[in-house]
Amino acid sequence: AQSVTQLDSHVSVSEGTPVLLRCNYSSSYSPSLFWYVQHPNKGLQLLLKYTSAATLVKGINGFEAEFKKSETSFHLTKPSAHMSDAAEYFCVSLNQAGTALIFGKGTTLSVSS
Amino acid sequence: EADIYQTPRYLVIGTGKKITLECSQTMGHDKMYWYQQDPGMELHLIHYSYGVNSTEKGDLSSESTVSRIRTEHFPLTLESARPSHTSQYLCASSDLKGAAHEQFFGPGTRLTVL
Repeated sequence: AQSVTQLDSHVSVSEGTPVLLRCNYSSSYSPSLFWYVQHPNKGLQLLLKYTSAATLVKGINGFEAEFKKSETSFHLTKPSAHMSDAAEYFCVSLNQAGTALIFGKGTTLSVSS
Repeated sequence: EADIYQTPRYLVIGTGKKITLECSQTMGHDKMYWYQQDPGMELHLIHYSYGVNSTEKGDLSSESTVSRIRTEHFPLTLESARPSHTSQYLCASSDLKGAAHEQFFGPGTRLTVL
């Protein structure tokens, strides 16, 4: 069955340091993959998406992710964290039928000054 | 401004009450979805719709029901709320014709059943 695993439930960084949020997927085919961010009391917002084009995907707010088929990974990175990056981040894949999104359990990112 | 709205944002209600969670979008999207998210857990799809008069059950079984009488409106109803229904409910929409099935989410309704 298709699944998405976020390896860390909570990541803490200092402002100005790099961010790495890890995600592994399990699928018998090459899926479409997404990262969504959820700020407190706000709806989920799409950060970036991978759809079998370039393996390095750039998103909003300086985030990017690299699709690595050999490692079945789609880790999210940012060179320098900002206080406003503190939020919940979800790694998501699209099911094979294209009818539904499959969510990971989320990673809470904390940024300290 | 095109957006997706959910009301109420928070609801605390007693067992046995009938409730309807509202979701409306002004983006002209054909597809709409309802997800359920328990605290600290991933989102699970409970209902979706391809358009007017189309409703389908999602991956997670739910006692709720939905209707799609108008393109922009996709309400979710619980006939008799129970404590096990306590959760966050997120509504989303997407364009059938768009690439990569990008979904736009509302702010969610946090439901507590006492």
